[in-house]
Amino acid sequence: DGGITQSPKYLFRKEGQNVTLSCEQNLNHDAMYWYRQDPGQGLRLIYYSQIVNDFQKGDIAEGYSVSREKKESFPLTVTSAQKNPTAFYLCASSIVAGTGEYEQYFGPGTRLTVT
Amino acid sequence: AQSVTQLDSQVPVFEEAPVELRCNYSSSVSVYLFWYVQYPNQGLQLLLKYLSGSTLVKGINGFEAEFNKSQTSFHLRKPSVHISDTAEYFCAVSGNTGGFKTIFGAGTRLFVKA
Repeated sequence: DGGITQSPKYLFRKEGQNVTLSCEQNLNHDAMYWYRQDPGQGLRLIYYSQIVNDFQKGDIAEGYSVSREKKESFPLTVTSAQKNPTAFYLCASSIVAGTGEYEQYFGPGTRLTVT
Repeated sequence: AQSVTQLDSQVPVFEEAPVELRCNYSSSVSVYLFWYVQYPNQGLQLLLKYLSGSTLVKGINGFEAEFNKSQTSFHLRKPSVHISDTAEYFCAVSGNTGGFKTIFGAGTRLFVKA
């Protein structure tokens, strides 16, 4: 079955530690995205990547970093510089980016709790 | 710049009743419009999308939406809801001028009561 996997589903970290969230897709999609979801705020774009070895900041990139070394993988690192990292993180992909008509396919999400 | 407003944060409704979830958008260019559904602790999945053509779009699970350009709206409807439709629904808009960005609304939580 084609789809997007995110691991782990729940993640707990102590304040001051960096943490990496995994995202893998086998849909052969060029574009991948990371969103943060907080109650009542919808989805906010953190980073996106249109092709391998290229990525751009979204609306709330501060305190986050990404890499795109393989087409299938787009890991997100939440660094200690992120002021309020506790949230639900969603990874998504689409066939291409840049034309707008292609829907995004979402993973099941990772709920990160930092104490 | 584009924006999306979902007019209701929560919509309670009884089982088998009709429901309408409202979505308005603003954009200076032609748009593509989407509705996604999110069940608790899961990712989003596409319900339906409007790209062009017929303004009435049918999606999965008996949902449909109507694109109204003059009112810049894309309201989601279902004639008879089930308990299993309880979820959060997101309206989203993207442009067709080469900008990739999809803007999501804040979401509407639909509660279906027995």
